[in-house]
Amino acid sequence: ETGVTQSPTHLIKTRGQQVTLRCSSQSGHNTVSWYQQALGQGPQFIFQYYREEENGRGNFPPRFSGLQFPNYSSELNVNALELDDSALYLCASSLDRRLYEQYFGPGTRLTVT
Amino acid sequence: GNSVTQMEGPVTLSEEAFLTINCTYTATGYPSLFWYVQYPGEGLQLLLKATKADDKGSNKGFEATYRKETTSFHLEKGSVQVSDSAVYFCALSEGGGSEKLVFGKGTKLTVNP
Repeated sequence: ETGVTQSPTHLIKTRGQQVTLRCSSQSGHNTVSWYQQALGQGPQFIFQYYREEENGRGNFPPRFSGLQFPNYSSELNVNALELDDSALYLCASSLDRRLYEQYFGPGTRLTVT
Repeated sequence: GNSVTQMEGPVTLSEEAFLTINCTYTATGYPSLFWYVQYPGEGLQLLLKATKADDKGSNKGFEATYRKETTSFHLEKGSVQVSDSAVYFCALSEGGGSEKLVFGKGTKLTVNP
């Protein structure tokens, strides 16, 4: 059973650019949640996808968007990058939105210069 | 809105010392409470959970009791090991269908031999 994987591990972008982060959920999981973890802070909820539909969104602007594919992998897209978008982006997968059995990936470290 | 407050770190202890990391929360309704651990270079891992008042979560020698009267969920361990060095996050769940987690800022623990 493979765990949650994320790609890329690190990337550097310039302010104003766009970025796509990817997450492969654990086998059998149909729910993916995305979190932003700024340096020295706890993760903040961006949004959740359940069976390809958005199922809740945190306090993030519309330039943060996502997608979930039929195989339940997911993408996080961020447009018009700002310096404050620099953070570790975590995805977590679970079955049927079960928080108690939610598994996190190692994260993607995004640096915006 | 709902929030979680953790004691400020970092915390430095000697091996076999007693550990307490304080966590208090503000929430409407009856959230579930969690402790997550983040080892260096790894993703978040669920350490323990409690779903209702007076429940005690436990795992790997760590314990926390859901105290509704004091809105607290303090993490304790009787004898820490060097391998417990990590960042610990207290979190609560927000239900209502979105099943998102609200995290505290994290407490970094270093255990010296």
